[in-house]
Amino acid sequence: AQSVAQPEDQVNVAEGNPLTVKCTYSVSGNPYLFWYVQYPNRGLQFLLKYITGDNLVKGSYGFEAEFNKSQTSFHLKKPSALVSDSALYFCAVRDVSGGYQKVTFGTGTKLQVIP
Amino acid sequence: DAGVIQSPRHEVTEMGQEVTLRCKPISGHNSLFWYRQTMMRGLELLIYFNNNVPIDDSGMPEDRFSAKMPNASFSTLKIQPSEPRDSAVYFCASSLWDGEQFFGPGTRLTVL
Repeated sequence: AQSVAQPEDQVNVAEGNPLTVKCTYSVSGNPYLFWYVQYPNRGLQFLLKYITGDNLVKGSYGFEAEFNKSQTSFHLKKPSALVSDSALYFCAVRDVSGGYQKVTFGTGTKLQVIP
Repeated sequence: DAGVIQSPRHEVTEMGQEVTLRCKPISGHNSLFWYRQTMMRGLELLIYFNNNVPIDDSGMPEDRFSAKMPNASFSTLKIQPSEPRDSAVYFCASSLWDGEQFFGPGTRLTVL
């Protein structure tokens, strides 16, 4: 079984400050990990993914995430937050040992960037 | 590519009516997913297909819900009869082997 947890329903950060959105996962094998963003009245948009290789993954809009196998975490980060980053963020995991592409999504974290 | 296409974008219907939601995945993608999103329950996976075959429909809430994928370029999600608690945004997504999913814009369903 695979699962993902986003412990914070909402994160507030001042514009220009660094931001972190937390995600931890559980899989029986090796994980593929994803971050998505959802703006109001829109579908989810892909931000970045970890498949293999470098633990630090860079994605769209200046976001990055670090895969930490020992802590089973994949936190999303950005050095300097913008007001336009305010949105709902979803972490997702797929167990590589699974035969199909089913991905389990977290419950989402609402990011509010305060001007 | 135009991305994942869903229709209609908005649907308002009365309780008891049949509702059909449509999805065209990205060409070449071999997996297709149907999700439902509400404020109360968040994002829920309803069913997914691999190579047009339903793999896991454990998220389908009731027998009133059914989904088909007659070919690689088309899928439907049907609710019959619809109820007010089915009101939600329904998303379709498609993916390749690595699981990176591409989402459609969603269908906002309101059942009165």
